[in-house]
Amino acid sequence: DAMVIQNPRYQVTQFGKPVTLSCSQTLNHNVMYWYQQKSSQAPKLLFHYYDKDFNNEADTPDNFQSRRPNTSFCFLDIRSPGLGDAAMYLCATSRDLGGNQPQHFGDGTRLSIL
Amino acid sequence: DQQVKQNSPSLSVQEGRISILNCDYTNSMFDYFLWYKKYPAEGPTFLISISSIKDKNEDGRFTVFLNKSAKHLSLHIVPSQPGDSAVYFCAASSLSSGTYKYIFGTGTRLKVLA
Repeated sequence: DAMVIQNPRYQVTQFGKPVTLSCSQTLNHNVMYWYQQKSSQAPKLLFHYYDKDFNNEADTPDNFQSRRPNTSFCFLDIRSPGLGDAAMYLCATSRDLGGNQPQHFGDGTRLSIL
Repeated sequence: DQQVKQNSPSLSVQEGRISILNCDYTNSMFDYFLWYKKYPAEGPTFLISISSIKDKNEDGRFTVFLNKSAKHLSLHIVPSQPGDSAVYFCAASSLSSGTYKYIFGTGTRLKVLA
């Protein structure tokens, strides 16, 4: 009964080779988020979608893009991964954007760069 | 500049005793605070939250205390159980550019000893 599903759990790619991470949700939530978490660091918000409206964080590198083709799915595209992009990528959803809205996280995709 | 700080990377507590996890913040504009629990190989799950207009919120064994003057909040777990062993993240949200966003701390690893 997983509600936020991330695929794959582990992804290995080569330096500079584009990679796409996938997230799907069964909660019918309006908002979907992508976070990057490096070892022993706090999860860092990359961007989020409210419905079809895309909101990019000011310090998210241009190398990172996202797509949300429908309510259920959201993708994270890394156009030219560098060694510094190796991290855990977490997808989350929330019903709305209120400050007290809990976010529901997937189990993450761990990305390794060779 | 880290706006949400969890200065203790780890904490060990005996089963049955109280666990106290601490979180400090710098931004007085934060209006909601949330705690998440994360088990290995899983995504964070929402635990409990508190509005900035309150100083205490309780849910079963979990109580969050907020001291706005000190910009400090704490999560109390009483009594602690081995199943509480996890990483605990503090998060704060504020309205930014018309939308609420979370800032996470780096987490505290709690180990409850049987």
